[in-house]
Amino acid sequence: DTAVSQTPKYLVTQMGNDKSIKCEQNLGHDTMYWYKQDSKKFLKIMFSYNNKELIINETVPNRFSPKSPDKAHLNLHINSLELGDSAVYFCASSQWETNTGELFFGEGSRLTVL
Amino acid sequence: AQKITQTQPGMFVQEKEAVTLDCTYDTSDPSYGLFWYKQPSSGEMIFLIYQGSYDQQNATEGRYSLNFQKARKSANLVISASQLGDSAMYFCAMTLRSGGGADGLTFGKGTHLIIQP
Repeated sequence: DTAVSQTPKYLVTQMGNDKSIKCEQNLGHDTMYWYKQDSKKFLKIMFSYNNKELIINETVPNRFSPKSPDKAHLNLHINSLELGDSAVYFCASSQWETNTGELFFGEGSRLTVL
Repeated sequence: AQKITQTQPGMFVQEKEAVTLDCTYDTSDPSYGLFWYKQPSSGEMIFLIYQGSYDQQNATEGRYSLNFQKARKSANLVISASQLGDSAMYFCAMTLRSGGGADGLTFGKGTHLIIQP
């Protein structure tokens, strides 16, 4: 049983299109995240949600809009895709109160914008 | 703001040798957590080991140990008896609030470790 699952795993699309990536976790966590990993493998946080409430909103273009319908789901919608949006997007989850603050990651969604 | 520095972009190591991956961090917050994650070529992020800022002893998990030098602000990962399967990217990461919150992790740039037979 996959703990944090993302769909789709691969996404190839044209510039200007709109696309969504979905994320679901079955760990019972109350906090979820989106991270972007660029071509140099650098991982940077984009958003975090706690119990459906937006907590972190890093300097990300407003073409990126996260949505959390419930605490087990966090989706990412991207409008008007640009070449620079090509990256691997990781969803992750954690529990607000925990011993460590460890993040559990999904397998990543590789977005290629042509 | 916190910062993680990994100064080794890449390393080549002979199989069965011990490996030390360097990580230094910068924060003025007294409470923080330090992590190491492994990312093999398949792309998934695998949690390896955790060290809390108030932990007295260095963390160990099987062949992995974390050499925590608080005064030096370093948290090096040591892999004993390296194996071919250890070839991967390794990321050091930090959270300011040891024990949760929604701040997530701040990552270093990673070290690409290649184990040679």
